[in-house]
Amino acid sequence: EPEVTQTPSHQVTQMGQEVILRCVPISNHLYFYWYRQILGQKVEFLVSFYNNEISEKSEIFDDQFSVERPDGSNFTLKIRSTKLEDSAMYFCASRIQGGAYEQYFGPGTRLTVT
Amino acid sequence: LAKTTQPISMDSYEGQEVNITCSHNNIATNDYITWYQQFPSQGPRFIIQGYKTKVTNEVASLFIPADRKSSTLSLPRVSLSDTAVYYCLVGPYNTDKLIFGTGTRLQVFP
Repeated sequence: EPEVTQTPSHQVTQMGQEVILRCVPISNHLYFYWYRQILGQKVEFLVSFYNNEISEKSEIFDDQFSVERPDGSNFTLKIRSTKLEDSAMYFCASRIQGGAYEQYFGPGTRLTVT
Repeated sequence: LAKTTQPISMDSYEGQEVNITCSHNNIATNDYITWYQQFPSQGPRFIIQGYKTKVTNEVASLFIPADRKSSTLSLPRVSLSDTAVYYCLVGPYNTDKLIFGTGTRLQVFP
């Protein structure tokens, strides 16, 4: 069964550093998402991406965040200058055309900012 | 988006049927009801979706009464591996984001 994959599984970085989290969505999916989950808290929507542009973003997704689909398979989330409060599990998700609620999530990247 | 209310936690034993009810009093006409499951340190996983009456798949059943102000996720004969957090989400079919609540933490005991 096709899966969303994410790398790395765990990233440790120092405050102020840039990080790039990588995702490979399911190959025939057209819509891509990033969510985050701070330890013990809810899963929070960050951004949705379709047709090479952001279609919606939350207020969490400020100027420090950016997304890119650099080629036909990868989907990345960049945090330019990490803060302690960016420490969280970051999940990538994707879906096919239609069926917005049936999103396929990756295993996540645990980001620890020290 | 409709606000949802679910129990914070539930306990069950292996082999029992588990029913998790979600209240969504202000559900809109074009809203669908969707349930996700999340195991520790993993991403959420879609379980089932419905609009009205009953939907069943290989994993669960979803019961939605006529007024659609609540829904019940039914897990038949749970096993230890069903221990997870279960989320009820309500929103338009064409929404572009999922809004998760705190979910129901189901603990299955041997």
